Amino acid sequence: DVKVTQSSRYLVKRTGEKVFLECVQDMDHENMFWYRQDPGLGLRLIYFSYDVKMKEKGDIPEGYSVSREKKERFSLILESASTNQTSMYLCASSLYTGPTNQPQHFGDGTRLSIL
Amino acid sequence: AQSVTQLGSHVSVSEGALVLLRCNYSSSVPPYLFWYVQYPNQGLQLLLKYTSAATLVKGINGFEAEFKKSETSFHLTKPSAHMSDAAEYFCAVSDNGRALTFGSGTRLQVQP
Repeated sequence: DVKVTQSSRYLVKRTGEKVFLECVQDMDHENMFWYRQDPGLGLRLIYFSYDVKMKEKGDIPEGYSVSREKKERFSLILESASTNQTSMYLCASSLYTGPTNQPQHFGDGTRLSIL
Repeated sequence: AQSVTQLGSHVSVSEGALVLLRCNYSSSVPPYLFWYVQYPNQGLQLLLKYTSAATLVKGINGFEAEFKKSETSFHLTKPSAHMSDAAEYFCAVSDNGRALTFGSGTRLQVQP
């Protein structure tokens, strides 16, 4: 079974802090994703990566950056946290085998509060 | 650009009743379609995925979904609801096999 592990379930930070959210997958997946989940809005894609050191912006990248130095690890960085970044953050990974419907596997999420 | 619409942010059914959760998509190419379920304080779990092999797709926990190209729909059904089905359900579409676009979710409540 695929395991996607997010380093923290709950995190409380202050406005202006630099925040790191870590995600690790154990199945050698090429693709990794960061979403944020807000009530009534579903999941919105922040960034994704299809290879080491490669990244692409999703729908809402403003205020975020990412890092993928190793295949199994994908980090989300809030450069200067703001209260409107209080949300649930979900990491996912998937195997890419060309244009097929490989599903994404999700971690349990990090509930981030910015005070 | 692709998009997903889930009609009804909340659906309530009685235990034993039919569950029907609606999903309509727009995509410029033949899509990849998925349903995910999220239980409280957990991540998303895959319920089922559409493959072009069959229009009726069976998933876990007795759920199934029917792909109707003419209606651009992929509705999720279950003949008989259980209390344990109470959760939030998300429909998702991909047109490139990589990133997913999610609907806004439907919270299913099951009444005893």
